[in-house]
Amino acid sequence: DAKTTQPPSMDCAEGRAANLPCNHSTISGNEYVYWYRQIHSQGPQYIIHGLKNNETNEMASLIITEDRKSSTLILPHATLRDTAVYYCIVRVGSGGSNYKLTFGKGTLLTVNP
Amino acid sequence: NAGVTQTPKFRILKIGQSMTLQCAQDMNHNYMYWYRQDPGMGLKLIYYSVGAGITDKGEVPNGYNVSRSTTEDFPLRLELAAPSQTSVYFCASSYAGTTDTQYFGPGTRLTVL
Repeated sequence: DAKTTQPPSMDCAEGRAANLPCNHSTISGNEYVYWYRQIHSQGPQYIIHGLKNNETNEMASLIITEDRKSSTLILPHATLRDTAVYYCIVRVGSGGSNYKLTFGKGTLLTVNP
Repeated sequence: NAGVTQTPKFRILKIGQSMTLQCAQDMNHNYMYWYRQDPGMGLKLIYYSVGAGITDKGEVPNGYNVSRSTTEDFPLRLELAAPSQTSVYFCASSYAGTTDTQYFGPGTRLTVL
C-alpha cells in the first residue's frame, strides 16, 4: 500500500469548514483513498473513500487531485464532536494479499468553540 | 442494526490467565478482523477471517487464537496472558465487494498485571 503524509495537527473554529490534506505521491492505479477517524478511546470510524472522482456523503467530501497524488477531506461545518485523529489510508479496493488497514499517525483535528 | 459489538468493554487479567474477547456483527459481512492498539500507536492486525471456517494470521498473531464457526461471530482467545498483551482490542468487519470498507466495534480495553 502507498504511504501517506499528513500534518500532525490542525485547528478549526466551530462552524467553519475543516480541510484536512493528505499526500500520497506513490499511489498506484488500483489503490483507493480511504479516510477514517478515531475519537479518543473509541473504535475507528469510516468516513469516506474514493478512487479518482470527488466524493461526498453525509459526513464529508473528498477531493482527489487529477494526478491522484494528494487529496483533501472536507468537513463542511465542523462541530466540537469532530475533534479526533483523522487517518488517510491508501490501499487496494478489496482484500488482495494485504487485508489490513495501515493506520499512520494521522492528523489531530481540534475544533475550538 | 447494532453493527459490530464487542464484549467485555474492560477486563483486568493476571499473568497466565486466559480469556475470550467476543465480537459479533449483524451486517452479514464476510470478512472480520482483530486489531490491537497500544497507547499512542497505530492499529496492528492480529488475525482475520474471510468467511466461516477460514482464518489467517495478521502481523502480530503470537499469543492469540481465533475461530469462525458462524458468519456473525469471531472470538479472540488469549491463552496465558502476558503484560505485553495489555492493549485495546478492536474487532472490525467488512463486505468484500469492489471495496471492503471496514467497520469497527467500540473496543475492549485489556490490562494484564
